Amino acid sequence: DAGVIQSPRHEVTEMGQEVTLRCKLISGHNSLFWYRQTMMRGLELLIYFNNNVPIDDSGMPEDRFSAKMPNASFSTLKIQPSEPRDSAVYFCASRTNEKLFFGSGTQLSVL
Amino acid sequence: AQSVTQLGSHVSVSEGALVLLRCNYSSSVPPYLFWYVQYPNQGLQLLLKYTTGATLVKGINGFEAEFKKSETSFHLTKPSAHMSDAAEYFCAVSEGNTDKLIFGTGTRLQVFP
Repeated sequence: DAGVIQSPRHEVTEMGQEVTLRCKLISGHNSLFWYRQTMMRGLELLIYFNNNVPIDDSGMPEDRFSAKMPNASFSTLKIQPSEPRDSAVYFCASRTNEKLFFGSGTQLSVL
Repeated sequence: AQSVTQLGSHVSVSEGALVLLRCNYSSSVPPYLFWYVQYPNQGLQLLLKYTTGATLVKGINGFEAEFKKSETSFHLTKPSAHMSDAAEYFCAVSEGNTDKLIFGTGTRLQVFP
């Protein structure tokens, strides 16, 4: 199994542009988490899904952020419009048996 | 709501010395506790976890942690540091076997020769 795969690895964009981050889960895992990591706030849980259904999105900073899970193996996190303060590393993780498996993250820079 | 506090954002030790990374938690129900490690430019990897049963938990790479309910602590230790242990370490808590995992702010471990 290739593990959790995130794309792109790096994203540089200008303020106001739409950004879409992608995540492919490990086959058979039924929970999907999106985290954001910054120096100031550490790892923040943005949203998580269980069996493709969003369970808790209380960590999503504002309406500019949205996440979808169209099928059991894929998820997207969209920021529209992006702002410089969105610059961070975004991780997705899938879960089985109380263990999270993280992707390598997407380094987002909004100029 | 649960939360995690990691004391010390940076810890430096000499190679061969004891490693002690501190973690205190808050949870209204019996917690599940975790330590994760993050190497540069990588995602987090599970080191060890406590769910129920034995309070001393052994993980990978020689690390272990002890759940102390009376102190609401779950400190991570390793008897002898190795250069390859240099990384960022995160303590995390979930309320029982729920999906939501809350992370601490992390402790960066430096190991000097």
